[in-house]
Amino acid sequence: DAGITQSPRHKVTETGTPVTLRCHQTENHRYMYWYRQDPGHGLRLIHYSYGVKDTDKGEVSDGYSVSRSKTEDFLLTLESATSSQTSVYFCAISGPRTGRNYEQYFGPGTRLTVT
Amino acid sequence: KQEVTQIPAALSVPEGENLVLNCSFTDSAIYNLQWFRQDPGKGLTSLLLIQSSQREQTSGRLNASLDKSSGRSTLYIAASQPGDSATYLCAWKGATNKLIFGTGTLLAVQP
Repeated sequence: DAGITQSPRHKVTETGTPVTLRCHQTENHRYMYWYRQDPGHGLRLIHYSYGVKDTDKGEVSDGYSVSRSKTEDFLLTLESATSSQTSVYFCAISGPRTGRNYEQYFGPGTRLTVT
Repeated sequence: KQEVTQIPAALSVPEGENLVLNCSFTDSAIYNLQWFRQDPGKGLTSLLLIQSSQREQTSGRLNASLDKSSGRSTLYIAASQPGDSATYLCAWKGATNKLIFGTGTLLAVQP
């Protein structure tokens, strides 16, 4: 494993509640990513970070925000969860130490259910 | 918009067979293509990364090829084993560090 942990691993929440997912790395990589995986859609990028306090939107960023105050932590927040955000969420990391072509390594995932 | 397609969506083969998984992409401005394996309920495991300047990359029984001009990559698995059963995903990377994923091929190797 590439030193990536995600918490919580499973969460059930109600519509309208805020939810924060955490990704923690021990590899000191520069880039971190949040994806969601849904049947029929595959993996889609939500947000990514290219350094502390530097973030940008991905393909499906509406309804999500992120923060990165330390190299090792990347937080994904659903301000007001909706049923359409029921999904499996994956964090990934990459950086110069993963090779010139910035190979991405993935965490174990968080299964989120919004009821 | 970049699209990445994987065919077939599912494949079942008997143990010992050699097989090829296909990945096609529409944007030839590719930096690299990464192949992953995903077991049910698990995260993604990186298998091979093939750079745009390479034609092939090998790791054990796995061989990935890349043809930029035709927009295709293939993952060849030699002498398949039941433990190879999983979903295989390819991901295209361009000038940014964002990956565009295919929807995967579900492989079942029958003992």
